[in-house]
Amino acid sequence: QVQLQESGPGLVKTSQTLSLTCSVSGGSISSGAYYWTWIRQPPGKGLEWIAYIYNSGKTYYNPSLKSRLTISLDTSRNQFFLRLSSVTAADTAVYFCARGGCPSTPCTALIDSWGQGTLLTVSS
Amino acid sequence: QSVLTQPPSASGTPGQRVTISCSGSNSNIGTNYVYWYQQLAGRAPRLLIYRSNQRPSGVPDRFSASTSGTSASLAISGLRSEDETIYYCAAWDDSLSGPVFGGGTKLTVL
Repeated sequence: QVQLQESGPGLVKTSQTLSLTCSVSGGSISSGAYYWTWIRQPPGKGLEWIAYIYNSGKTYYNPSLKSRLTISLDTSRNQFFLRLSSVTAADTAVYFCARGGCPSTPCTALIDSWGQGTLLTVSS
Repeated sequence: QSVLTQPPSASGTPGQRVTISCSGSNSNIGTNYVYWYQQLAGRAPRLLIYRSNQRPSGVPDRFSASTSGTSASLAISGLRSEDETIYYCAAWDDSLSGPVFGGGTKLTVL
């Protein structure tokens, strides 16, 4: 069973750039019909897809956040990453990294493995 | 505002059957499978239903789901106190090229 673990700064100042890392164990990020994704959840609110990346490196972003986002991966370290620039209080949320199923086109909303989530607080 | 629409709350008494609705559009529920997740407080979501009506191993058969057109619903029969938590629907959205979620429904067992 693949396991994911997020790591991040916890606290970021307004207008700065947030960097998050997801470390994957129990399976290779390079193999299988999956996409690797970031999903966030503001306090007391619902889930929002942010971005995902295939093991080929192809990326997709939520249009509402696209201008501020970069997702990437490092297959040698079995990790993938998220950068979110110009953060504001509205970016305060628990950020989950996760694995989604992509057995065919289009992919699916089957998220079969989740990290525990990391709380990011944006403060001035 | 979430792409998929769920009622913010639902409730029932122990033993009852409750349903939670999820409304979308032709670009998501109308053409792709629906997934349901259960999220306990402070935890990551857990897959409850996949491919619109299939249960992963370990999910009790008290949980069932269906779809019709651009809507889906989750049914929980024989309601138990441990079912009191938040439920999310999800589907792939062809227009956004990504997964979309409902806003979540908080289920209260009275």
